Amino acid sequence: GQQVMQIPQYQHVQEGEDFTTYCNSSTTLSNIQWYKQRPGGHPVFLIQLVKSGEVKKQKRLTFQFGEAKKNSSLHITATQTTDVGTYFCAGPRGNKLVFGAGTILRVKS
Amino acid sequence: DGGITQSPKYLFRKEGQNVTLSCEQNLNHDAMYWYRQDPGQGLRLIYYSQIVNDFQKGDIAEGYSVSREKKESFPLTVTSAQKNPTAFYLCASSIEVGGGLDEQFFGPGTRLTVL
Repeated sequence: GQQVMQIPQYQHVQEGEDFTTYCNSSTTLSNIQWYKQRPGGHPVFLIQLVKSGEVKKQKRLTFQFGEAKKNSSLHITATQTTDVGTYFCAGPRGNKLVFGAGTILRVKS
Repeated sequence: DGGITQSPKYLFRKEGQNVTLSCEQNLNHDAMYWYRQDPGQGLRLIYYSQIVNDFQKGDIAEGYSVSREKKESFPLTVTSAQKNPTAFYLCASSIEVGGGLDEQFFGPGTRLTVL
């Protein structure tokens, strides 16, 4: 069945450095969603990408959807300690969402 | 103040006991979901419901049961048949089940520990 793979599993950066997490699907996706889960918290929706090649920005966060709609990335510019958490991508499979395993981001100040 | 509530936040049970986790939403959402989260893994779908009195198995439904008697409520029972029940359980809802086109709103989660 459809799988959504995320890399890296874990990244530890110095505050001010950039961070990128990548999401790859075994099948073409109609859309992709990104969520953030703070330590000890619950996932919170960040954004949804629908169009091939789409790029969306939220302040220091840049989200991209690949031309083939099988991959996506989230890039954070100049990380801050408030960026710590786990970032998940999720793609639809029928009436359900399939989540990647997530990328854990730690920021050292 | 709209949202999803889950109770309790922490739950301890002895092995062999059934336990029911509560999930309530006042967002007037049609669809509700239960996920299980283990360390280092993503969210795995246990059950979901698109409408009252109807629900579907997710990827890891064995050892779990649900009911959807009211639109606002979607309780999950972890039965003694679940071999490894210790985990973080998350409930979510969305406006409707539409091929994953709607964002999901998550509750704060219940951390279940079976001793």
